[in-house]
Amino acid sequence: AQSVTQLDSHVSVSEGTPVLLRCNYSSSYSPSLFWYVQHPNKGLQLLLKYTSAATLVKGINGFEAEFKKSETSFHLTKPSAHMSDAAEYFCVVSELDSGTYKYIFGTGTRLKVLA
Amino acid sequence: NAGVTQTPKFRILKIGQSMTLQCTQDMNHNYMYWYRQDPGMGLKLIYYSVGAGITDKGEVPNGYNVSRSTTEDFPLRLELAAPSQTSVYFCASSNRDRGGYTFGSGTRLTVV
Repeated sequence: AQSVTQLDSHVSVSEGTPVLLRCNYSSSYSPSLFWYVQHPNKGLQLLLKYTSAATLVKGINGFEAEFKKSETSFHLTKPSAHMSDAAEYFCVVSELDSGTYKYIFGTGTRLKVLA
Repeated sequence: NAGVTQTPKFRILKIGQSMTLQCTQDMNHNYMYWYRQDPGMGLKLIYYSVGAGITDKGEVPNGYNVSRSTTEDFPLRLELAAPSQTSVYFCASSNRDRGGYTFGSGTRLTVV
């Protein structure tokens, strides 16, 4: 079975500094990988997705992630954090189960942005 | 441009009561899902549907039931509410297996 590990439950950065949210996955075949963002008391919004095309994926709001098969990683980065980036971020892998694809969620990383 | 709509947004239930969480999508998506989100646990799949008339259990189906009579609607039923069902519930839909999901804004349920 596939799994997702988000290595940090909390990350704090200063406004204007880079963001790195780490995600490792285990997969028995070529996975689809996603990052979602959840602002307080809101639903989840898709930031970006990897589905076996380019390994560097650009998403919304200046975020990007790089798929590294050799490291089984899919870390999320942003060059310069903004106060509005404060939220919880989920790394997700898509798993084939009983003939259909299902999401496996990481436990989330809460990003705090300091003024 | 509604996307996925969930009602109600908040609800407090007493132990043993029943209720239905509503979910409607207007994107003509075949795939629909119900998740629950508990603190520090990510999201866990309760039930899913790959089309009208077809439903299947996810990772944590006990205590819940679903139906899918139309493409648009995917209600989640709690028959005998228990404190362990206190959670935030999210409905999601997708137009294909490997694509991204569209999530509703959630229903925060408290069972006392």
